[in-house]
Amino acid sequence: AQSVTQPDIHITVSEGASLELRCNYSYGATPYLFWYVQSPGQGLQLLLKYFSGDTLVQGIKGFEAEFKRSQSSFNLRKPSVHWSDAAEYFCAVVRSGGYNKLIFGAGTRLAVHP
Amino acid sequence: GAVVSQHPSRVICKSGTSVKIECRSLDFQATTMFWYRQFPKKSLMLMATSNEGSKATYEQGVEKDKFLINHASLTLSTLTVTSAHPEDSSFYICSAKRTSGFNEQFFGPGTRLTVL
Repeated sequence: AQSVTQPDIHITVSEGASLELRCNYSYGATPYLFWYVQSPGQGLQLLLKYFSGDTLVQGIKGFEAEFKRSQSSFNLRKPSVHWSDAAEYFCAVVRSGGYNKLIFGAGTRLAVHP
Repeated sequence: GAVVSQHPSRVICKSGTSVKIECRSLDFQATTMFWYRQFPKKSLMLMATSNEGSKATYEQGVEKDKFLINHASLTLSTLTVTSAHPEDSSFYICSAKRTSGFNEQFFGPGTRLTVL
């Protein structure tokens, strides 16, 4: 069965430090992969997505992610974290069978120290 | 553009009552809307997919008679939790996508339901 694993439930970084959030997926074919951010009181916002092509994907707010088929990973990175990046981050994959149904990972809560 | 709203944002009800949650796409027409449930410190679990003018498709394990979904127009879908019980307390999130075919989902801010 398809699944998405985010190994880190909670991560704390200092403002200005680099960030990497891990995501591993289980999927037979080439997956459609997404990273979303959820802030309190706001809906999930799409940071970036990967469908095909260049495996390094640039997103909004200075985030990027790299698709590595050999490792079944799609890790999210940011070179310098800002306090406003504190939020919950979800990795997701489109479920096979169509209709754009998403399978989400459990999420990683990011805290940023000043 | 691509804003999705939910109403109410927060609701508290007594056990046994029914609660209706609205999901609206404010600036686009949504052929498909999705309803998710998010437990504390957990991920989003898809409950059902609704297409305008047709019956919703429920995920395995989701009671269709418990969670009634109506997608009456291209901008509105409603989720009614019938005969609510404390275990139905959760955060309910909807999303909408523009057209048929593969497309980005836009998410609402969610509705916190508490059943006493």
